[in-house]
Amino acid sequence: EAGVTQFPSHSVIEKGQTVTLRCDPISGHDNLYWYRRVMGKEIKFLLHFVKESKQDESGMPNNRFLAERTGGTYSTLKVQPAELEDSGVYFCASSQDWGGASYEQYFGPGTRLTVT
Amino acid sequence: RKEVEQDPGPFNVPEGATVAFNCTYSNSASQSFFWYRQDCRKEPKLLMSVYSSGNEDGRFTAQLNRASQYISLLIRDSKLSDSATYLCVVNALDSNYQLIWGAGTKLIIKP
Repeated sequence: EAGVTQFPSHSVIEKGQTVTLRCDPISGHDNLYWYRRVMGKEIKFLLHFVKESKQDESGMPNNRFLAERTGGTYSTLKVQPAELEDSGVYFCASSQDWGGASYEQYFGPGTRLTVT
Repeated sequence: RKEVEQDPGPFNVPEGATVAFNCTYSNSASQSFFWYRQDCRKEPKLLMSVYSSGNEDGRFTAQLNRASQYISLLIRDSKLSDSATYLCVVNALDSNYQLIWGAGTKLIIKP
């Protein structure tokens, strides 16, 4: 069974440009999550989709970040315009269920974003 | 104060030794607890969930102390392949079960 995949694996862009990250969850997983790890800091939650709906987007840092999950399958995370502080590793995860300890989140390999 | 605090290490440990990691969390309403493992430049992977009564999985033992808001992970007979960063993670109903992550403890097993 294929795991969570993310594209691209690396992206280097200039400040002010736009970047779109893609995540394909494990087939059949309704729950999809985005996380970010800035260098030297802990992993931070960004948002959670249940199918195509945003269950929780309280972790999104500002309105330069837009996440979508049309059709409840893959998801995209767009950063527009990118700023230097957006650099980091963006992880996507998926799970069958959510809430409490009843689920395991499976992580993709991450997209390493560098904004110069 | 961080929501989940861990000693960043690194812990340099000889192969075969026993090593223990600790983690404290600030939200007394935290409900579920996990240890994740992350290899260098890789994604985090669930190592084990932590249950109130404590639990063991092979060489790994996890303990939870709700009164002290403290979680531990013990690795016995450490292997070279145990070298990684160990991340303490919690969630709570009052934060929509978001995973709240510690910054991780780096473990280096030496031959």
